[in-house]
Amino acid sequence: DAGVIQSPRHEVTEMGQEVTLRCKPISGHNSLFWYRQTMMRGLELLIYFNNNVPIDDSGMPEDRFSAKMPNASFSTLKIQPSEPRDSAVYFCASSPLGPRNTIYFGEGSWLTVV
Amino acid sequence: SQQGEEDPQALSIQEGENATMNCSYKTSINNLQWYRQNSGRGLVHLILIRSNEREKHSGRLRVTLDTSKKSSSLLITASRAADTASYFCATEKTGANSKLTFGKGITLSVRP
Repeated sequence: DAGVIQSPRHEVTEMGQEVTLRCKPISGHNSLFWYRQTMMRGLELLIYFNNNVPIDDSGMPEDRFSAKMPNASFSTLKIQPSEPRDSAVYFCASSPLGPRNTIYFGEGSWLTVV
Repeated sequence: SQQGEEDPQALSIQEGENATMNCSYKTSINNLQWYRQNSGRGLVHLILIRSNEREKHSGRLRVTLDTSKKSSSLLITASRAADTASYFCATEKTGANSKLTFGKGITLSVRP
C-alpha cells in the first residue's frame, strides 16, 4: 500500500510568492496532519483534519497560512505571501485512528524562500 | 515548551554497543510513542507504550515508561550503523482533543 504522498519534494521560491504544498493521505485514514520542522523549533503541528474537517488549527502561524481538505484523498497547505522565515520542511501525515495513535508521515516538502 | 524532552541531544556509539535514549515529560499522558527519522526522510513510528504499561519490546528495541517519574527510555541493543538516525519521543496528554506533541529529538550516530 502506498504511503503518504507529498509534492513537491523540494521547492525554492522568492519572497512574496505563493506556495502550495500537496498531500495524499493513506487510503482509509480519516485523520490528516500538517507539521513543520525546523532546527530551532523542532516538529510543530500546524493543523489537523478529522474526516476532512479542520479540528485544530491553533498551530497555524498566521493568516498567511491556510489549509484545505476538499476530500478524503487530498489536502493542500498554502502560504501566501511566503517569507524567508517560512523556510522549513513541511510534513503531511495521516492516521487511521485519530490524533492519539500512530501517525504515518510523508517524506516531506523542503521549502526554501529566498 | 515541548511536552517531551529527549536526553541526550546527541549520542555517538560504536557498532555493537547498546544505545539508551531518554524522554521526560511534564503532564499526565495516555500514551508515549517513539519515532525514528533518517536524514532527509519522514518520521517512522517505532513503538507505542500506553500509560498502564511499564515495558515493551519490539525486536532490538526496548521501551520503558515510568509514569511516577514522567519519563521513558528507548534502548536499542546491539546497535548497527543503519540505526544512525534521529529519534523522537511523542506524548499524548490526557484530556479531550489531545494530540501528539513531539520532542526535539536525539541524534544517534553509530560508528561502524
